[in-house]
Amino acid sequence: SAVISQKPSRDICQRGTSLTIQCQVDSQVTMMFWYRQQPGQSLTLIATANQGSEATYESGFVIDKFPISRPNLTFSTLTVSNMSPEDSSIYLCSVRGTGGEKLFFGSGTQLSVL
Amino acid sequence: QQQVKQSPQSLIVQKGGISIINCAYENTAFDYFPWYQQFPGKGPALLIAIRPDVSEKKEGRFTISFNKSAKQFSLHIMDSQPGDSATYFCAASSGTYKYIFGTGTRLKVLA
Repeated sequence: SAVISQKPSRDICQRGTSLTIQCQVDSQVTMMFWYRQQPGQSLTLIATANQGSEATYESGFVIDKFPISRPNLTFSTLTVSNMSPEDSSIYLCSVRGTGGEKLFFGSGTQLSVL
Repeated sequence: QQQVKQSPQSLIVQKGGISIINCAYENTAFDYFPWYQQFPGKGPALLIAIRPDVSEKKEGRFTISFNKSAKQFSLHIMDSQPGDSATYFCAASSGTYKYIFGTGTRLKVLA
């Protein structure tokens, strides 16, 4: 398994501002994933963060809105830029376990945009 | 083809009863089917998973039943307890890192 620390756990932000979410893993991992979980909805993959290269974004998500950093094999950040109320969601960091298939999640960041 | 359809959206079960959540998929390339349990304020946690080469997998009170021909799989929670009250997500993947998640089932077990 993997222990994932994510912060902040929650935040309330004003429209037009940006928030950076941090994700720290207790072991080195090749890929880190960022998901969005809108209220009452399923989990949607935003992007995959690889160390030493640009993040890979899923359809509907762009780098200007969700810039990602991956400075080393245990840490990543996701920034939600120029926020609007529609960005109110839970943002989750995740990694695959050493076996390769199992996906482990952090506790999430609950974001509310006023 | 990439969707995983999950039902019901919500479920209320008496303590000691059986909770059953169903999922269906279209993409026959999927070869790994996990279930996740999520409590309020927490991230999803892996509960149990199955591959299509077996029809059933049991871990404690949790059982996955898998029907390859029907492209369906389900989670059974035996002797449901109030502590099982959570949101459950099924998922599917095809050997890549991408998971496709179902829409979730909010389970409430009455004491």
